[in-house]
Amino acid sequence: DAGVIQSPRHEVTEMGQEVTLRCKPISGHNSLFWYRQTMMRGLELLIYFNNNVPIDDSGMPEDRFSAKMPNASFSTLKIQPSEPRDSAVYFCASSPVLQMNTEAFFGQGTRLTVV
Amino acid sequence: GESVGLHLPTLSVQEGDNSIINCAYSNSASDYFIWYKQESGKGPQFIIDIRSNMDKRQGQRVTVLLNKTVKHLSLQIAATQPGDSAVYFCAESGQNNNDMRFGAGTRLTVKP
Repeated sequence: DAGVIQSPRHEVTEMGQEVTLRCKPISGHNSLFWYRQTMMRGLELLIYFNNNVPIDDSGMPEDRFSAKMPNASFSTLKIQPSEPRDSAVYFCASSPVLQMNTEAFFGQGTRLTVV
Repeated sequence: GESVGLHLPTLSVQEGDNSIINCAYSNSASDYFIWYKQESGKGPQFIIDIRSNMDKRQGQRVTVLLNKTVKHLSLQIAATQPGDSAVYFCAESGQNNNDMRFGAGTRLTVKP
């Protein structure tokens, strides 16, 4: 398996523009997580899905952020409109077991820069 | 709110020495703990995990110790190598809960 695949790897956009980050989890994994990583706040859990259903989105910073998982093999994180403070590395992760805790497998991340 | 935090932000060790990275957590309901390693430009990579019904777990060159009394977690790396240089995160989640939260991270630097 190729692992968790995120695209793009790097994104530079102007303030006010819409940004869409994409994630393909590992095939067969039940859970999918979106994290944001900054120097100031570390790794923050934004939202996670179980079986394509959003379970906890309390980490989503504001209404400008939204996430979807239309099927088991694809998820998006959208920021609209983007702001400079959204600049961060965004990670997607997936894990194989629904109820029992197990490790999450991370993608390479998308480095977002909003200018 | 409850959170996971780290005692030491940086740790520098000599190649061949043992490393100990510490983590404190505050949520007494945490049931599952993981250590991740993150190298520059990459996503976190699983190292070892431990459940709350255990005190110690060993892997290849790594040992995780859990002290539930004082809510403390540590990662021991034996015979540290230059390839171990990275940022190490502890993460925790509750019982039957995939809500995995990370600590701030400790940067480990291995001197040749």
